[in-house]
Amino acid sequence: EVQLVESGGGLVQPGGSLRLSCAASGFTFSSYTMNWVRQAPGKGLESVSAITERGGDTYYLDSVKGRFTISRDNSKNTLYLQMNSLRAEDTAVYYCAKGHRRDGYSHWGQGTLVTVSS
Amino acid sequence: DIQMTQSPSSLSASVGDRVTITCRASQSISSYLNWYHQKPGKAPELLIYAASTLQSGVPSRFSGSGSGTDFTLTISSLQPEDFATYYCQQSYSNPPTFGGGTKVEIK
Repeated sequence: EVQLVESGGGLVQPGGSLRLSCAASGFTFSSYTMNWVRQAPGKGLESVSAITERGGDTYYLDSVKGRFTISRDNSKNTLYLQMNSLRAEDTAVYYCAKGHRRDGYSHWGQGTLVTVSS
Repeated sequence: DIQMTQSPSSLSASVGDRVTITCRASQSISSYLNWYHQKPGKAPELLIYAASTLQSGVPSRFSGSGSGTDFTLTISSLQPEDFATYYCQQSYSNPPTFGGGTKVEIK
């Protein structure tokens, strides 16, 4: 059974940093593109970042470029999102999701809440 | 960026009804369109990818059609577990943008 478990969310002040992790199991992690998708409270979905199987290619939403860094450790079956210079508008539930966009995001974690507030 | 517009933004329907949701892209995206639904407090779930391919395990009452700029998701006979918010997503190019959602509520 595919499982994706996010961690690392919490309350942080504007300008602060957080590192999200997503532990994957139940599939060959190194064979899949992985993604971070966020959802602000009461709002819709927004694809934040993606990374290809070996980490050779990445994508970032314009509003997070230069502040967020996606990475993966295939030996640990773990996806990461380093978030720096956080802003109030980054407040959201952050989901990790499996799969290339062309095939749809077939599996999602339960999400981790990031709140940016003073 | 490609803009995705869903309609309606919400609808009320009864169990057994046929429901259709529309998604329009701001430019042609061929058949690169995915559909998800999301229940309150839960993560989204993939229903259909490539406009009309049913994801494994998804009931056959769900179907998708369309290409270019206009797409539809149809639920042939609405079931109690289908009351949720539905999102389309274009997968033609980055950023892979989502529509604003359609909330399907019980009449």
